[in-house]
Amino acid sequence: QVQLQESGPGLLKPSGTLSLTCAVSDGSISGSGKWWSWVRQPPGKGLEWMGEIYHNGNTNYNSSLKSRVTMSVDKSKKEISMKLNSVTAADTAVYYCARDFNGDFFDCWGQGTLVTVSS
Amino acid sequence: QVVLTQSPSASASLGASVRLTCTLSSGHSNYAIAWHQQRPDKGPRYLMKVNSDGSHIKGDGIPDRFSGSTSGAERYLTISSLQSEDEADYYCQSWGSGFKVFGGGTKLTVL
Repeated sequence: QVQLQESGPGLLKPSGTLSLTCAVSDGSISGSGKWWSWVRQPPGKGLEWMGEIYHNGNTNYNSSLKSRVTMSVDKSKKEISMKLNSVTAADTAVYYCARDFNGDFFDCWGQGTLVTVSS
Repeated sequence: QVVLTQSPSASASLGASVRLTCTLSSGHSNYAIAWHQQRPDKGPRYLMKVNSDGSHIKGDGIPDRFSGSTSGAERYLTISSLQSEDEADYYCQSWGSGFKVFGGGTKLTVL
């Protein structure tokens, strides 16, 4: 069963750029139907889909974040990365990576990493 | 774009059954959805996909106590023989061309 592990800075100052990585283990990052998403959850709130990337680099982003988010894939390292620029306190959240089953629903989740934006 | 609506909270007694509802917005009653469980201070876990015809596909290791069904624009998650470990937030999720969306979640309390 594929396993996902997010890593990130923990604490970030406002106006900075958030960079997160998701390591994929015990499974392939490539292949038909292999989409990978980032989902975030502000403290005490619900889940928000941020965007997704296919193993060939094609992306779809949430329209509310499109101007600030960039996703990439490194097949040699089996890693998915996400950058979010111009962060504010509103970007404080637990960030999850997840595998999309055929680009539809999320059938595997990472454990998440908390990112706090504060001066 | 589809919008998913969930009741904020639900409660049921230990050993009883509960049915959670996810309602699809007008014009989207043929969409499939997925249910995810999030226990306190844990990441989400995929439970099942529920299709518009009521068929469902569970994730690995999901107990038989969990089942899915459909009625029109409503998608249901039924949990029978409730256990204390079922106390969690439950989110429905759907998708379309180039987007994914979540419902607001239902907090289930096991009494």
